[in-house]
Parts: sequence; C-alpha cells; structure tokens
Amino acid sequence: QKEVEQNSGPLSVPEGAIASLNCTYSDRGSQSFFWYRQYSGKSPELIMSIYSNGDKEDGRFTAQLNKASQYVSLLIRDSQPSDSATYLCAVGGGSQGNLIFGKGTKLSVKP
Amino acid sequence: NAGVTQTPKFRILKIGQSMTLQCTQDMNHNYMYWYRQDPGMGLKLIYYSVGAGITDKGEVPNGYNVSRSTTEDFPLRLELAAPSQTSVYFCASRQTASNQPQHFGDGTRLSIL
Repeated sequence: QKEVEQNSGPLSVPEGAIASLNCTYSDRGSQSFFWYRQYSGKSPELIMSIYSNGDKEDGRFTAQLNKASQYVSLLIRDSQPSDSATYLCAVGGGSQGNLIFGKGTKLSVKP
Repeated sequence: NAGVTQTPKFRILKIGQSMTLQCTQDMNHNYMYWYRQDPGMGLKLIYYSVGAGITDKGEVPNGYNVSRSTTEDFPLRLELAAPSQTSVYFCASRQTASNQPQHFGDGTRLSIL
C-alpha cells in the first residue's frame, strides 16, 4: 500500500516566522511531488511542484526533495495569517501518474 | 476559463436515493478524477479516467459509478445513497503529459440522512 505521511499538527507559528511542513512517502518509484493549500471549506489549490532532488523556490515558498530519504518538505518564509490553512502533500508515480495524498498538516499563523 | 466546474455545491439526500454529481472542465484535459474527503482525512480516489470512454477504479469505488462520454464531462453516480457516503466530493483534471499537477473543482458537499 502506497502511503504518504504528514504530521497532522496543528503547527502554530508567529507571524513573520518560517513554517516548516514535512512529508514522507513509501513508494521509491514516485516521480512527482506537489504541495496543495486548502482553506477551510474550500478546494485544494496547487502552490508548489517539485520533480528532482534539491530545492525549488517560488516567492515565499521553498519545496525541498530528497528521494534517497523519501522526504519532501515545504518552507514558508515570513509567514502571514493568510497562510493559515491545511497543507496537503501529494505524491505521484506509476503508469497513470495517480496522486496519493497525505492527510494534511494544519498551519496556524498567529498575528 | 472556468477550469473545473462541479454541480451542485450542496445536497442533502435520503438513504436509498440516487443522484449524479456533475463535473465538467474546459481545459481539454484527458485525465479526470473523483475524490472524496472526510473530516481530518486526505483525499481518497474513487474513480479516474484517462480519456473519453475509459474509466478505472480508484481506492474507494464501492457504491459509485462513473461514465466518460466526452472529454469535458465526468459525472459520478450514487445509486443507493448510504450514510457512509456523506462527504465532500472533489473532481480534478490534468494534462496528459506525465507528472502534471491536478486542478480541482470547488467541490460538492453531500449529506445523506
């Protein structure tokens, strides 16, 4: 059974701090990795994708991938109250490229 | 572009009733998906389709049926609603090229009483 594990949180950080969200996955053949943000009562929204080892930066967001350790993370710099949401890690692979989602980490940014 | 559109947004059903959740996308995506999300849980794949006329089961297909007669539309059918099917349902689509991300509709919140 392919699995994606995330700490459910809640993760609470003060405004302006760095939030660090972590995800591990079981399938070594996974090829694509995504972070989605989901506000309460809303649909998942893609914020980052990463496909190769290393870091990928987009504004205040940095995704990090380590395939040897089967680990992917998301860093949010200068966290804002508007970043308060649940962050879903999704891992894809296989012939159809279907995604396996983690249960999500709830982030709370305190003013 | 509207993206992925789901209807209805909310629905209450009685046990044993049937209904169809509609999903349409205007991005010419071949791949489409149906997920359910229960409180505190991740997204569970119900069914998916890689193109018109082709569908396949996901992780939790029991109690549901799908069809894909056109590229744009991917309806999800509940034949005999059960309380265990109370959930939020999301439809998603993506481009055919490998490793492309999925884009989600706004969801349908379904309660079965």
